Amino acid sequence: DAGVTQSPTHLIKTRGQHVTLRCSPISGHKSVSWYQQVLGQGPQFIFQYYEKEERGRGNFPDRFSARQFPNYSSELNVNALLLGDSALYLCASSSRGYQPQHFGDGTRLSIL
Amino acid sequence: GQQVMQIPQYQHVQEGEDFTTYCNSSTTLSNIQWYKQRPGGHPVFLIQLVKSGEVKKQKRLTFQFGEAKKNSSLHITATQTTDVGTYFCAGDSGGSNYKLTFGKGTLLTVNP
Repeated sequence: DAGVTQSPTHLIKTRGQHVTLRCSPISGHKSVSWYQQVLGQGPQFIFQYYEKEERGRGNFPDRFSARQFPNYSSELNVNALLLGDSALYLCASSSRGYQPQHFGDGTRLSIL
Repeated sequence: GQQVMQIPQYQHVQEGEDFTTYCNSSTTLSNIQWYKQRPGGHPVFLIQLVKSGEVKKQKRLTFQFGEAKKNSSLHITATQTTDVGTYFCAGDSGGSNYKLTFGKGTLLTVNP
């Protein structure tokens, strides 16, 4: 079975632009979570969605938003990009929200 | 908000030596999870501990969850070069707003 897939792999944007990152969970998993990982730090929780509803939100500004589709795939949107948004964005899926997370390879976002 | 602290930040050992990393939460956890991330890779789930005082073993790895469910440890016996990577603990406090909080991780390097 395929693991968690994320697209794109790499992305370069400039300040003020917006970006959409995509994630497809493992087949059968209904929960998707998004994390931001800065070099040398642990993943920071952004959102969790389960059955298309937001079940958890981390300490990120309103510029960050997400949604989950009927097929359980998910998008993370970031508006008005700042230099500090440069990071690896990880998507993880699980069968239920509190179950172990299965991570994708991430999207490396660079802001110029 | 909830904080999860890990020590040490770095650990360099000779192959065959033991290694331990410690994790402490500012709040009581409903469960704790451990992940390993190889350089350039994504976090990979190792184990989940749920019960107070729980101890689980995976070959050379031993995981413990404290009696108060606020601390945990990972011990590796007789390290091998394949153990190289960053080990993260991640805690979930439970509640309606799901949030998995990762520690900053312990980077383990092993000298052959």
